[in-house]
Amino acid sequence: QSVLTQPPSASGTPGQRVTISCSGSSSNIGSNAVDWYQQLPGTAPKLLIYNDNQRPSGVPDRFSGSKSGTSASLAISGLQSEDEADYYCAAWDDSLNAHVVFGGGTKVTVL
Amino acid sequence: EVQLVESGGGLVQPGGSLRLSCAASGFTFSDHYMDWVRQAPGKGLEWVGRIKNKANSYTTECAASVKGRFIISRDDSKNSLYLQMNSLKTEDTAVYYCVSVPSYYGAPFQDWGQGTLVTVSS
Repeated sequence: QSVLTQPPSASGTPGQRVTISCSGSSSNIGSNAVDWYQQLPGTAPKLLIYNDNQRPSGVPDRFSGSKSGTSASLAISGLQSEDEADYYCAAWDDSLNAHVVFGGGTKVTVL
Repeated sequence: EVQLVESGGGLVQPGGSLRLSCAASGFTFSDHYMDWVRQAPGKGLEWVGRIKNKANSYTTECAASVKGRFIISRDDSKNSLYLQMNSLKTEDTAVYYCVSVPSYYGAPFQDWGQGTLVTVSS
């Protein structure tokens, strides 16, 4: 059971907009930045969004992040076949044993 | 270009030990925090632990699931990160990723290695 809650799957057709939610609590998302990672099949994860809504250089602006309270979202607009991957949210957790927590991951399928 | 190359994975029996290494290049290794993140087969990501930089006294932090069994160390002169894993359990079976992290609280996992597979089985 992951500390951050994501839907296990999401899908869309090419060109559509897909949104992935990430729900946490006041000790993690509610008080710390949220990051998103993309893991293409058979590869290592890659930083996609950091500090809630910032894109590293090289990440297309089709990907955007937002946060409100104890929830965050990743949106993929203009969905492309190469976006088919697993997506993970993450945040630092300020509870007794401070550590990084991840969501369980969302598999995005391009129909 | 940033490169993080893990090595040392393999098959080990429950209760055994294994030492993973990560060779870093393409960035100022000594300035960064360095983390280990693992992924069990077919499962999600799990943070294992962190070692901070010299400016932060090389402080280490570990997940509760590995505390007391895993030790993280680094050698800035060799641009290398290590993970000493003792008293291994079957649930430690996973791909272990070496990750670079900018040296501030809440920084993201910036760059990832390709991972090395550790299998704990009799």
